[in-house]
Amino acid sequence: GAVVSQHPSRVICKSGTSVKIECRSLDFQATTMFWYRQFPKQSLMLMATSNEGSKATYEQGVEKDKFLINHASLTLSTLTVTSAHPEDSSFYICSAKSPLGGGYTFGSGTRLTVV
Amino acid sequence: AQSVTQLDSHVSVSEGTPVLLRCNYSSSYSPSLFWYVQHPNKGLQLLLKYTSAATLVKGINGFEAEFKKSETSFHLTKPSAHMSDAAEYFCVVSDPISSSNTGKLIFGQGTTLQVKP
Repeated sequence: GAVVSQHPSRVICKSGTSVKIECRSLDFQATTMFWYRQFPKQSLMLMATSNEGSKATYEQGVEKDKFLINHASLTLSTLTVTSAHPEDSSFYICSAKSPLGGGYTFGSGTRLTVV
Repeated sequence: AQSVTQLDSHVSVSEGTPVLLRCNYSSSYSPSLFWYVQHPNKGLQLLLKYTSAATLVKGINGFEAEFKKSETSFHLTKPSAHMSDAAEYFCVVSDPISSSNTGKLIFGQGTTLQVKP
């Protein structure tokens, strides 16, 4: 139980295009989801907190117009990287608080490469 | 504000020997503490968590960690390393959920565990 599914696992896109990453809670409802970015050999950095039915809360330094977050249902949050640049290439991971008590469940991550 | 420091960026052990991954935290509240493991290009898997119950926490795959408030530490240990334990390990702190805090996680820098045959 408490599985978070993230798609796609890998995506390569051209500079200037937009990419959408989906994060779904498969067997539970997640009113709050979190989006992280991880650069090679670095830790996870929280980008934003996604709240169902309301605007996302972005961490300092994260451009909300570039990283669009939509949390339209209790089981789906999406992150859209708009006008992607090579420096946006990274590993993006979503998570949701597990209903099983304590802990957070993470998606399997999306490796974004912008060429 | 909460923070977490993993004292070693890289730890190398021989298979069958003990593992110690060190973590110190700073928190204004009674924190929740976690250890996660990440294999290459994969998501994170929860090893264990501390949420103000027993200070010695047992997790999956033989791992355990001890919460020591006096030392503000939450070190991860395993008696005998397996080759499959080679991965990246993250110590994570979360403050209690309140009206102003949705319980977001703060990650340590990560420790790469290498297991030699």
